[in-house]
Amino acid sequence: DAGVIQSPRHEVTEMGQEVTLRCKPISGHNSLFWYRQTMMRGLELLIYFNNNVPIDDSGMPEDRFSAKMPNASFSTLKIQPSEPRDSAVYFCASSQDRDLTGELFFGEGSRLTVL
Amino acid sequence: AQKVTQAQTEISVVEKEDVTLDCVYETRDTTYYLFWYKQPPSGELVFLIRRNSFDEQNEISGRYSWNFQKSTSSFNFTITASQVVDSAVYFCALRTNAGKSTFGDGTTLTVKP
Repeated sequence: DAGVIQSPRHEVTEMGQEVTLRCKPISGHNSLFWYRQTMMRGLELLIYFNNNVPIDDSGMPEDRFSAKMPNASFSTLKIQPSEPRDSAVYFCASSQDRDLTGELFFGEGSRLTVL
Repeated sequence: AQKVTQAQTEISVVEKEDVTLDCVYETRDTTYYLFWYKQPPSGELVFLIRRNSFDEQNEISGRYSWNFQKSTSSFNFTITASQVVDSAVYFCALRTNAGKSTFGDGTTLTVKP
């Protein structure tokens, strides 16, 4: 079975450029999460969706970040404009939630470097 | 608000030693779920176990065991007879019916041959 698929795996860009990270959750999973991992701040929840609807976006750093889930099989996380402090590994995870308490299945992550 | 604390930042052991990773959590919810995840050097987080707040039975899976104590709000993870392949970052996490999943800062375990 295919796991959570993220792209790109690596992205190097220059400050000010737009970055779009993509995620395909596991088929049948109804919750999707975006996390950011850095050495300084650990794993931070940015936003999560349930049944394609954003439930909690309180972790989104600022207006430069936006996330969408147009359908059950696809989500994007966009950063515009990007800044060096956005450099991190961004993980997408999905969960098969009956009551919002299931375990998360993570993708391999997208390593973003902003120069 | 909910919080997960993993006080041990790094642990180093020699192969075949037993090691316990500590996890303390805070939540006002009476129903919640606790998890452990493993992040090997390859980077992907892997689910290990899920426990609900009403089930305090300890669980054993091979060399892994988990001790859940509600009285001390702890959910500790023990690896028996550690192996080099156990070297990874281990995360404890908490999830409530609100859906948000909060992770601890992780414990980096190094098992030396």
